[in-house]
Formats: sequence, structure tokens, C-alpha cells
Amino acid sequence: EVVLTQSPATLSLSPGERATLSCRASQSVSSYVAWYQQKPGQAPRLLIYDTLKRATGIPARFTGSGSGTDFTLTISSLEPEDFAVYFCQQRSNWMVTFGPGTKVDIK
Amino acid sequence: EVQLVQSGAEVKKPGESLKISCKGSGHSFNLYWIGWVRQMPGKGLEWMGIIYPDDSDTRYSSSFQGQVTISADKSISTAYLQWTSLTASDTAMYYCARLGEPGVDFWGQGTLLTVSS
Repeated sequence: EVVLTQSPATLSLSPGERATLSCRASQSVSSYVAWYQQKPGQAPRLLIYDTLKRATGIPARFTGSGSGTDFTLTISSLEPEDFAVYFCQQRSNWMVTFGPGTKVDIK
Repeated sequence: EVQLVQSGAEVKKPGESLKISCKGSGHSFNLYWIGWVRQMPGKGLEWMGIIYPDDSDTRYSSSFQGQVTISADKSISTAYLQWTSLTASDTAMYYCARLGEPGVDFWGQGTLLTVSS
């Protein structure tokens, strides 16, 4: 089973700053890496799939990149509504695994 | 509009049984895998297992095999997650979610389960 680790655990930034979130897999994965945003009391929301494709309605400030075992979610300029927890996820057929999450909070 | 609507919050005692539901609409429910995800208080997301409602093909993550049962009734576009004997460690939020082409693309609103004596 592929294990995903995310860093940092917490990222403290100000609105307008750039956020760079990392996700590392225990072994090389296909391009089925996705990113989700979760706000308190809400279900997760799909942001990025297939490493770099934005889901419907996701603003262009969210960018995914990476390959092999290292993947990145970049938020180019943080908006107030972007402060949340972000999970990466990989998929192998039906089996899905999630990373432990990175919390982006307000500095 | 694709929607997954889950049953309401539950408070149960240890040893009790429970079945929660997830009703789909706005898409061909039977033709998408539906998964269940556990989120314990303040923790991350754990993939429990998945079902294909059209033929009830079901797969479980190793951590949840034998601990829960996933089922579906395609005639009413509903998937289920059930326990036969709850413990306090089952206290969590449970989400159903659709596994589409982009990935886990639609989520239910969650069902909060509290198990306490």
C-alpha cells in the first residue's frame, strides 16, 4: 500500500502570500494524484486531479505539479477563504489513500 | 446536479448495531463506484472501502475488512455502511463519496457517529 506524507504539517501565512504544499509517496505513483480542501464542519472538496488538472470551478490560483513520488500544490496568492486543511490523495484502481493533511492558517 | 445525501447523526451505545445510508441523485448512481471515508475527531481521511452499485462488487481496505459491511440497493440509488457491534473507537464522521474519472469528485455531507455509554 502506498503511504503519503505531507509537509509541512502547518503552514502559517498571510493573505496574499504564496503557499507551497508538499506530498511525497512511499513509492512511485501514477498521475492519479489529487488534492482536496477541507474547511471546518465541511466535507472535503476536490481541487486538483491527475496531478495538475483543476476541478470544475476551482480558481486558477491553485496549481498542481509533480511526478513520481513528489507532488506539490501551490496557491499563488492566498485569499481569506483559502485558509483550510489540504489533503493529497493517490488512487490505484479502487484503492484510495490520503495524506495526513497540511493546515494552512493565518499568520 | 450530482448529490449524495447521507442519513442523520447517530448516538449509539457500545455493542449496538447501526446502518447509515447515502442516497445519490443527479447522476447514474449505479454506474459509479461509491466509497466510504472515516474521519476521526481532529484527524485525517481514511478510505474504508467501495462498492459498485450496479452489481454490488465490494472491496474493503485492509484496516476495515471484517469491521464493517458496505452494501447498496441500486433500485433506490442508495449505499449503506453498517456495523454489528459498535465500540467507542467507531466515533467519527463518515462520508460517502463518488469515485469518478477525476477521482473522489463528489462527497456526501457526512454522518456523525457518536458511540458512548
